[in-house]
Formats: sequence, C-alpha cells, structure tokens
Amino acid sequence: ETGVTQSPTHLIKTRGQQVTLRCSSQSGHNTVSWYQQALGQGPQFIFQYYREEENGRGNFPPRFSGLQFPNYSSELNVNALELDDSALYLCASSSQGALGYTFGSGTRLTVV
Amino acid sequence: GENVEQHPSTLSVQEGDSAVIKCTYSDSASNYFPWYKQELGKGPQLIIDIRSNVGEKKDQRIAVTLNKTAKHFSLHITETQPEDSAVYFCAAPMDSNYQLIWGAGTKLIIKP
Repeated sequence: ETGVTQSPTHLIKTRGQQVTLRCSSQSGHNTVSWYQQALGQGPQFIFQYYREEENGRGNFPPRFSGLQFPNYSSELNVNALELDDSALYLCASSSQGALGYTFGSGTRLTVV
Repeated sequence: GENVEQHPSTLSVQEGDSAVIKCTYSDSASNYFPWYKQELGKGPQLIIDIRSNVGEKKDQRIAVTLNKTAKHFSLHITETQPEDSAVYFCAAPMDSNYQLIWGAGTKLIIKP
C-alpha cells in the first residue's frame, strides 16, 4: 500500500508567478484535502476534493484553486503568488466519510 | 466555528518520564479528536484519535482522554523515548466534519 506522495518537495517562485503542486492519494482513498502550514504553526485547511469536485473550502482567496482527477490524484494551483504564500503545503487523503487523514511530506514553497 | 487551543507550546521531559499535552475546543458538537505527530521535514502522522462516545483510548504508551463537559482532551505519553521528540498537534472538526481545525502545536523534547 503506497502512501500519499507530493511533488515537488521544494520550490522557489517569484512574487506574481503561478505555481502548481501535485499529490497522489493513498491507494483506496477517494478524498483529497490540501492544507497550508506556515512555519511554527498548525496546518490551515485550504479545500477538499471528492469525486473531482470541491467539497469544502477554508478561508483562502480564489487565487487558490484545485483539481481532482479520475484516479483521485489532485493539483493545487496558486496564482499571483505573494510573499505570505511561502509555506509548507500538505496534501492529505482519506476515504469519504472517514476522518483519519494520511498526509504526504509536503511541498515547501518559497516566494521571493 | 471551532477554535482549538493547545498547551504547552514547548514541553521538555526526561527520558522515561511521562508527557501530557492538553487541548480545549469551543464547538460542543465536535465528535472526533485526533492527535498528530510531525517530525522534521515530514507531514503530520495520525498517532491516536478518539470519538465523543468514549472518555479514554489507549495504544501502548499513548493514551488520549476526553472530557466533553469541559470541552478538553489530552494526549498522554508514558515511558518517553528519544524517538518521541517531535511536534504534536491536536485537532477538532468544523461543523461539516471534513475540515480539521488544528492547535498551534507542542514541541516535545526528550532529554537523555
């Protein structure tokens, strides 16, 4: 059974650019959630995808968007990057209705 | 909405001693309380969780207790070992149950 894999592991972008982060869910999991974790803080919920549709969203602006594909993998897109977007972005998968999330190791995004 | 507070922010204990981390939550409708362990450079890992229909749950050296009346839950680690050193997070679900609200984390340091 494979876990959650995220790519890339590290990324440096310039303010104003766009970025796409990728996530492969754990085998058997059909729901993917994305979290933003600033240094020294707990993760903040961005949104969740189930059956290729957004299934809930946290307090993040529309420039944060996502996709889920038929194989349950997912992408997080962030447009017009700001310095405050620098953080660890975590992907977590679960089975629909289950609350026990499995997290990937994250993508460390630095905006300069 | 849900608000989760976690204490202490840093906890240093002698190897072999016990460690206790406490969290309070605000939404009395919350019914699921997970604890995650995050090691440096990795994503959070679920170590134990408890549902609101029980007051205590144990898994070897780890236990979680829940007091629904007081709206707080605690993580107990006995016979601490060097590999227990990490940041621990508590969490509780928002209204819809798919969004976890996280505490700010506790850095646990095990002194040899």
